[in-house]
Amino acid sequence: AQSVTQPDIHITVSEGASLELRCNYSYGATPYLFWYVQSPGQGLQLLLKYFSGDTLVQGIKGFEAEFKRSQSSFNLRKPSVHWSDAAEYFCAVGGRDLGSQGNLIFGKGTKLSVKP
Amino acid sequence: NAGVTQTPKFRILKIGQSMTLQCTQDMNHNYMYWYRQDPGMGLKLIYYSVGAGITDKGEVPNGYNVSRSTTEDFPLRLELAAPSQTSVYFCASSYTDNYEQYFGPGTRLTVT
Repeated sequence: AQSVTQPDIHITVSEGASLELRCNYSYGATPYLFWYVQSPGQGLQLLLKYFSGDTLVQGIKGFEAEFKRSQSSFNLRKPSVHWSDAAEYFCAVGGRDLGSQGNLIFGKGTKLSVKP
Repeated sequence: NAGVTQTPKFRILKIGQSMTLQCTQDMNHNYMYWYRQDPGMGLKLIYYSVGAGITDKGEVPNGYNVSRSTTEDFPLRLELAAPSQTSVYFCASSYTDNYEQYFGPGTRLTVT
């Protein structure tokens, strides 16, 4: 069955420090992978996506993610975190796997706190 | 350019009441979705639609109904509200099944 695991429920980093949020997926076919960000009281905003091609994907707000097929991972990174990055981050997988409903499957999210 | 809009933003219902959550998109997207988000649980798909007149169940459809009479609108109906339906509800849309979805701001529903 398709699934997404975000192992870290809550991460705290200092402003200016680097960030890596982990995402592992289980998907039979070639996955489409996404990272979304949700600020408090807001909807989800797409940060970046991977469909095919270059495995290092650049997104908005200085984020990037790397697709590693051998590890079934799609980790999100940012070299220097800003206080405004404090939010909840969701990894999601979709694609054309047999038996899928053709919709996104979301991880449970990682809440990021940024300390001054 | 409004994107995906949802109304109301907040609502409190008593057990057994009914209501409709409204969702409208102005991007001419074919695909629309309803999710619920519970703390620590991520998003769960309730219903989705691949075009006007076509709807299908998602992971957690019980207690909900939907219709899609136009491309723009995708209302979600709760017929007999239960405390288990207390949640934040998000509507989303996408142009095709390439899964890049655009989300509305959400409706926070409390059933007491």
